[in-house]
Amino acid sequence: DTAVSQTPKYLVTQMGNDKSIKCEQNLGHDTMYWYKQDSKKFLKIMFSYNNKELIINETVPNRFSPKSPDKAHLNLHINSLELGDSAVYFCASSQGFSVLLNEQFFGPGTRLTVL
Amino acid sequence: SQQGEEDPQALSIQEGENATMNCSYKTSINNLQWYRQNSGRGLVHLILIRSNEREKHSGRLRVTLDTSKKSSSLLITASRAADTASYFCATGEDSGNTPLVFGKGTRLSVIA
Repeated sequence: DTAVSQTPKYLVTQMGNDKSIKCEQNLGHDTMYWYKQDSKKFLKIMFSYNNKELIINETVPNRFSPKSPDKAHLNLHINSLELGDSAVYFCASSQGFSVLLNEQFFGPGTRLTVL
Repeated sequence: SQQGEEDPQALSIQEGENATMNCSYKTSINNLQWYRQNSGRGLVHLILIRSNEREKHSGRLRVTLDTSKKSSSLLITASRAADTASYFCATGEDSGNTPLVFGKGTRLSVIA
């Protein structure tokens, strides 16, 4: 039983293309996140949704557009991909948004390589 | 932002030895969490310690928190090769309305 799943696991594409990464959680959590981990392993939050509503939008280019069709899904669409977008993207979920609550559960990651 | 910073960046020990990793942060926190990331995998939550706690145990893990020094340590006792991974601390602010902020991690290698 995979708690947080992402597809695809690997994504190799050309500059300028548009791509999507999907995320699903079966934990019944209210909050979902997208993180970007760069080559130096630094993990930075990009977006957070709580009950399908966007609550965090860090300084991310507007080429990145998250979409949450329901509480269990948070997809990430990226337009006009650039070389600097190459990274591992992690989806995560938590019971609620407040860090006063419990831990975050991470998906396995999607390794995006832009050529 | 109150980004946690782990120290050391990398640590290599023999199986059976203890491993200690430290995390420092900058502002007031509600809680501090430690996560493990195996190579090519997602992060896994290990332990959460609240600002009013000083020490917490979970199996072979021991976490301490010193809010006066704004620092935490993660001790793994009797390390195993399977403990080889990167370890991240993450801090949650007092307000509870901001996201977790992760440090850059400590890369632990346990040699059999």
